[in-house]
Amino acid sequence: DSGVTQTPKHLITATGQRVTLRCSPRSGDLSVYWYQQSLDQGLQFLIQYYNGEERAKGNILERFSAQQFPDLHSELNLSSLELGDSALYFCASSVRADQETQYFGPGTRLLVL
Amino acid sequence: DAKTTQPTSMDCAEGRAANLPCNHSTISGNEYVYWYRQIHSQGPQYIIHGLKNNETNEMASLIITEDRKSSTLILPHATLRDTAVYYCIVLDTGRRALTFGSGTRLQVQP
Repeated sequence: DSGVTQTPKHLITATGQRVTLRCSPRSGDLSVYWYQQSLDQGLQFLIQYYNGEERAKGNILERFSAQQFPDLHSELNLSSLELGDSALYFCASSVRADQETQYFGPGTRLLVL
Repeated sequence: DAKTTQPTSMDCAEGRAANLPCNHSTISGNEYVYWYRQIHSQGPQYIIHGLKNNETNEMASLIITEDRKSSTLILPHATLRDTAVYYCIVLDTGRRALTFGSGTRLQVQP
């Protein structure tokens, strides 16, 4: 158990819909990262937040957005969902913002029908 | 970040040492070598990291060559639960995101 929690574990929705994935980092960690793992793309970095502010952006689509709240939990919002958005979404956390060991949550499996 | 090259797959007998190689010939002086693994579809798990010196923890040992162009992750006594995809990642100081390649799929055989 990494100490990072993610909800929900599974999510099934339809194309065009919007969903919100939630992540609670390990106690004391200020940085949260979001990754997407699909069958054809592998594990890809989406976005990072540190202490409430966006720190780095990866291959995140404009239809996706994230935020980190004062209690340090983070949410990833996916809108106008397409079939290709079906994937595992992982959240990771670390103490600091730079080059720090990241601890991953169990993931949310999203299926878009 | 420097690119890494790993074998696609490896087998290891249970109880034996698993030695997973990684080439990172373009690594620069301030880049660390990290190893993570992913068991089935679980979240990736941190194993170990190092800069120049060999490192050991409760999970594994990391051997980095003197020229730092390659490294080997050693699981001293592999068990069936070590069957996973192992990722070698080179990470620049100040770089935040992990870039996962294809990794090595390690199959531990009974």
